[in-house]
Amino acid sequence: DTEVTQTPKHLVMGMTNKKSLKCEQHMGHRAMYWYKQKAKKPPELMFVYSYEKLSINESVPSRFSPECPNSSLLNLHLHALQPEDSALYLCASSPRIILMGETQYFGPGTRLLVL
Amino acid sequence: KNEVEQSPQNLTAQEGEFITINCSYSVGISALHWLQQHPGGGIVSLFMLSSGKKKHGRLIATINIQEKHSSLHITASHPRDSAVYICAVSDSGGGADGLTFGKGTHLIIQP
Repeated sequence: DTEVTQTPKHLVMGMTNKKSLKCEQHMGHRAMYWYKQKAKKPPELMFVYSYEKLSINESVPSRFSPECPNSSLLNLHLHALQPEDSALYLCASSPRIILMGETQYFGPGTRLLVL
Repeated sequence: KNEVEQSPQNLTAQEGEFITINCSYSVGISALHWLQQHPGGGIVSLFMLSSGKKKHGRLIATINIQEKHSSLHITASHPRDSAVYICAVSDSGGGADGLTFGKGTHLIIQP
């Protein structure tokens, strides 16, 4: 199984809602990533988890809260988002953190619309 | 932090044409990745290179470490190759960084 899955595929939420994005991989990868991608822009790194511990937080607002409950699962909890947070949220995984150019495997993304 | 430049930003070609997309970066890397993103969002990793050349089907990727430059070639292009092609690098400085991405090349192959 060389797949990274993400749910849901699409999400529409209001600014007062609380929702979660889910990412799962069963390749035994120990590094997992959240990226945010606005239209016609490259992805931007948000968080990196290595061995279930948060390794990088790229100055992401606290309304985004990541969680890595086990080595296969990565969540992104959303609360009090703003319309400008509307974007494609991509999850990726790699065997280890990208020190030696490990290949990243990307999920299909969750397209989020904040109203 | 690395700066990744891609050219061209947009490319429209006829089916069957040989396609070249270029990528340059500013500081040393541990590896360079070529990614493909179709409308709808999902990203597929095409190649990971640290030296030389790789080939997969009609796709060829090369890298020149001294010149800090890589190219992605598509031979006998087909409309299904239409996508955004993204160059991304992993820095060699160590640390748990994700990839640094170029802005992408939007390729359209017309029948």
